[in-house]
Amino acid sequence: ELKVEQNPLFLSMQEGKNYTIYCNYSTTSDRLYWYRQDPGKSLESLFVLLSNGAVKQEGRLMASLDTKARLSTLHITAAVHDLSATYFCAVNYAGGTSYGKLTFGQGTILTVHP
Amino acid sequence: KAGVTQTPRYLIKTRGQQVTLSCSPISGHRSVSWYQQTPGQGLQFLFEYFSETQRNKGNFPGRFSGRQFSNSRSEMNVSTLELGDSALYLCASSQHGNEKLFFGSGTQLSVL
Repeated sequence: ELKVEQNPLFLSMQEGKNYTIYCNYSTTSDRLYWYRQDPGKSLESLFVLLSNGAVKQEGRLMASLDTKARLSTLHITAAVHDLSATYFCAVNYAGGTSYGKLTFGQGTILTVHP
Repeated sequence: KAGVTQTPRYLIKTRGQQVTLSCSPISGHRSVSWYQQTPGQGLQFLFEYFSETQRNKGNFPGRFSGRQFSNSRSEMNVSTLELGDSALYLCASSQHGNEKLFFGSGTQLSVL
């Protein structure tokens, strides 16, 4: 059974600081996703990582993937209040038959303080 | 391009009733997946449909069912509702299912 674990689950940051969210998964995967969810809202896609060593950046967020370690990181640079949200990583199980079936991590609740 | 549309947005039901939720995917998308989100269990996969066929199913009881129509619109049905079925139900669409999934705003179901 594929398991996805995020840490930390709660992250309180000061504006301007840097931090990293970690996502570990238990079995080989085709791809890894990062999503953002604001309270009461749906999931917004941030990144899709397809291969070992993949790195993607958008604004103050950068995601990377190490398939050998089964680890993805979401790095936040110089946090601002607008980044406050819950961040999920999700993994698509490898094998070609898991289309549309994502296994999600528990989510990391990020709060950025002035 | 319109996004994924889910209706209704909110629903209140009582135990024992049944409910049907609807999802219209992005135009051209043929894969529709359903997820249940609760504070305790997080986001859990329910099922995925592609070209009117169920391609994957999660670990939910048979009370949870779904279908997809020829225009790719999908419905999910929950029969004999239980209190534990209270959740946000999210629908996601993609062209084939193995690329980025676009999520709808969800249906918040409350079972009293």
